[in-house]
Order: sequence, then structure tokens, then C-alpha cells
Amino acid sequence: SQTIHQWPATLVQPVGSPLSLECTVEGTSNPNLYWYRQAAGRGLQLLFYSVGIGQISSEVPQNLSASRPQDRQFILSSKKLLLSDSGFYLCAWSESGVTEAFFGQGTRLTVV
Amino acid sequence: RKEVEQDPGPFNVPEGATVAFNCTYSNSASQSFFWYRQDCRKEPKLLMSVYSSGNEDGRFTAQLNRASQYISLLIRDSKLSDSATYLCVVNAQFRSGTYKYIFGTGTRLKVLA
Repeated sequence: SQTIHQWPATLVQPVGSPLSLECTVEGTSNPNLYWYRQAAGRGLQLLFYSVGIGQISSEVPQNLSASRPQDRQFILSSKKLLLSDSGFYLCAWSESGVTEAFFGQGTRLTVV
Repeated sequence: RKEVEQDPGPFNVPEGATVAFNCTYSNSASQSFFWYRQDCRKEPKLLMSVYSSGNEDGRFTAQLNRASQYISLLIRDSKLSDSATYLCVVNAQFRSGTYKYIFGTGTRLKVLA
């Protein structure tokens, strides 16, 4: 069966520090991968998606970037965090974007 | 207009009650529809996919009306454990041909003893 791992679960970082969040999927190959952010009391906002190694598309301009160095690995990064980057970051995968998506446990990021 | 709209609630209902949530979407080309459940400070989890003919899973029934671009979720015999936020999710196609998932902001349900 397929599983998705995301870490760390919580993170407190100072403004201006770098960020790296990692997500890996097991039990499937060539998944569609997504990074979402959920601000407190708000809906999920799509940040990045990827349909293959090295293929990254961004939904909204922002202070973040994403990379997919391996088929089942998706990384969210920032060189310098802003206070507005605080939120709940969720990685998800699906087979095609038409079938259901499954989420990792999320990373709660607080920028101080 | 938001791509996916839901009544934020909260819906406060007694145990055993039947409750219905509605959702409208704006993209008539959407192909897939889902309901997710999200507990406080947790990730969304798939509750059920929604099919054109409507589908049922135990106490949960989902309906889709493509003509009206409307999705519903009915929960019968509510349990305390049903308390959560219910997210309506619709897929949409990027210009590249790939798909993304668009989430409503969710409807909060509190089942009261």
C-alpha cells in the first residue's frame, strides 16, 4: 500500500532563516505531488505541483521554491523566511490528479 | 466568485441528527469531486469520492448535480466522533493539461451530546 511521509511535524524558525521541508511517497511510482499551505482558519492554498522528476510548477508567486530530485521525493524550501510564511504545510500525492489525493501529516511552521 | 464555495458553519447538531452540507463549484470542466474530513490541527483525510449517480458509504451519502454545479454530503445518525471540518474538493485542469485539487474552506460540524 502507498504511504506518504512528511517531516518535521512542527518547526519554529526565526525570520530570515532558511527552510527545508521534505516529503516522500512509498508504494507507487511517478505520482503527482503537491505542496499546499493552510493559514490559520483558512482553506488550503496550492503552492506547487509536480508531475515528474525536475518538473515543478508554481501556483502563486511567493518566497518559497520546490524541487523534486527523485521520483517520490518533494522538497519545499526558502532561502529567507518571512513572518507571513507561517502556516500548516501539507504535501499530497495522487496517481493522476483525477483520482483522490492523499496527504502527509503536515508541518506546522511558525516564523518568529 | 470562489472556485469552490461552502457554508463555513459551524453546524451544531445533537447526536443522532441528520445534517447536510452543500458545496458549489465554478469550473464546469471539473471531472472529480470529493469530500474530505479534517480534524483540528490534522491533515485532511478522504471521506468519500462523489460520483454522478450519487453514492453511499454507511451513514454518509454524497450527491453530485453537474447541471447546477452542486455537491452535497448527508450524514445520518450523527456521532460525537463526526465532529470535524468537512472539505469539499473539486479537481481542475491546468493549461498544461495536468490537474490540481481545489479545496473549499470547509464546513465545521459539532455534534453535541
